[in-house]
Amino acid sequence: SQTIHQWPATLVQPVGSPLSLECTVEGTSNPNLYWYRQAAGRGLQLLFYSIGIGQISSEVPQNLSASRPQDRQFILSSKKLLLSDSGFYLCAWSAGSGMGNTIYFGEGSWLTVV
Amino acid sequence: AQSVAQPEDQVNVAEGNPLTVKCTYSVSGNPYLFWYVQYPNRGLQFLLKYITGDNLVKGSYGFEAEFNKSQTSFHLKKPSALVSDSALYFCAWEGGGNKLTFGTGTQLKVEL
Repeated sequence: SQTIHQWPATLVQPVGSPLSLECTVEGTSNPNLYWYRQAAGRGLQLLFYSIGIGQISSEVPQNLSASRPQDRQFILSSKKLLLSDSGFYLCAWSAGSGMGNTIYFGEGSWLTVV
Repeated sequence: AQSVAQPEDQVNVAEGNPLTVKCTYSVSGNPYLFWYVQYPNRGLQFLLKYITGDNLVKGSYGFEAEFNKSQTSFHLKKPSALVSDSALYFCAWEGGGNKLTFGTGTQLKVEL
């Protein structure tokens, strides 16, 4: 069966420091991978998605970047964090690009920028 | 703009009573619609989806949803609520490229 792992679960970082959140998927190949952010406990916003190694699409302009160095690894990064980057970050995957494929989420990473 | 709407921020229901969490959509063509549940400090869990076919979709944990094209709705239902169903529920629609756009969420509170 497929599983998704996301870490760290909790992170407190000072303003201006770098960020790296990692996500890996097991039990599948060539998945679509996603990074979502949830602010204020409600709204979910798609930040990045990837259909393959090195193929990243950004949905909104921001202080963050994403990379996919391996088929089942997705990394969310920032060179210098802002207070507004605080939130709950969720990695997700789906089986390919066909319409109607279910998207499965990881357990999330809480980021607090202080 | 195409979207889904969840008109209720919170729904309260007594345990054992039926529950409904509402979702309406404004999407052209044939919408692909999803329901997810989120427990506190956890990721989202998939409940069910409507792609095509039978308008009544059955999902996990006894939940079901009815796709109603004339009312552009996709309400989530359960015949008998449990306290453990208390969580945040999200409706979502799939745009191109297998990407989901979510509603604002509805907090369900089931009381004894």
